[in-house]
Amino acid sequence: DSGVTQTPKHLITATGQRVTLRCSPRSGDLSVYWYQQSLDQGLQFLIQYYNGEERAKGNILERFSAQQFPDLHSELNLSSLELGDSALYFCASSVGGQGEAFFGQGTRLTVV
Amino acid sequence: GENVEQHPSTLSVQEGDSAVIKCTYSDSASNYFPWYKQELGKRPQLIIDIRSNVGEKKDQRIAVTLNKTAKHFSLHITETQPEDSAVYFCAASDSGYSTLTFGKGTMLLVSP
Repeated sequence: DSGVTQTPKHLITATGQRVTLRCSPRSGDLSVYWYQQSLDQGLQFLIQYYNGEERAKGNILERFSAQQFPDLHSELNLSSLELGDSALYFCASSVGGQGEAFFGQGTRLTVV
Repeated sequence: GENVEQHPSTLSVQEGDSAVIKCTYSDSASNYFPWYKQELGKRPQLIIDIRSNVGEKKDQRIAVTLNKTAKHFSLHITETQPEDSAVYFCAASDSGYSTLTFGKGTMLLVSP
């Protein structure tokens, strides 16, 4: 167990819908990262938050947004879902911007 | 931003052989280089990491080497075992609060 908790583990939804993925980082970790992993892709970085502030942005679509709350948990919101958004979404956390990143178990999103 | 290239994309070896996976990075400011192992359906887990003030690091059967001048680093696994079969990701991170940039991964298959 990495100490990073992601909910839900599985999510099936229809095209056009909106979903929210939740991540609770390890105790003491201030930095949260979101990654997308499709079947034929590696780990695609979406966005990073550090202590409530956005720190880095990757290839995150405009339909996607995220935030980190005062208690340091983070949510990734995906809207106007398309079939191509089906993927495994990982959250990771670290003490700061460097150092080992611990991954959660991921949320498998299936858009039908 | 940082760009990490990883080769090969797949690697098949016989049990007991050595395996080498290579990565190159583009940002000379990068100074932290972790390697993650992802077993099928599971989260990525750190197996070894190296910082730019060190040229080589070993942990039992695995080792990582770093050539900052050439901007490449490699993972070496000796005496491979079937349980080493997984996808391996390299990553790079620069100073400050920047995020990890991952390579696309190498699927290692170790045949008994």
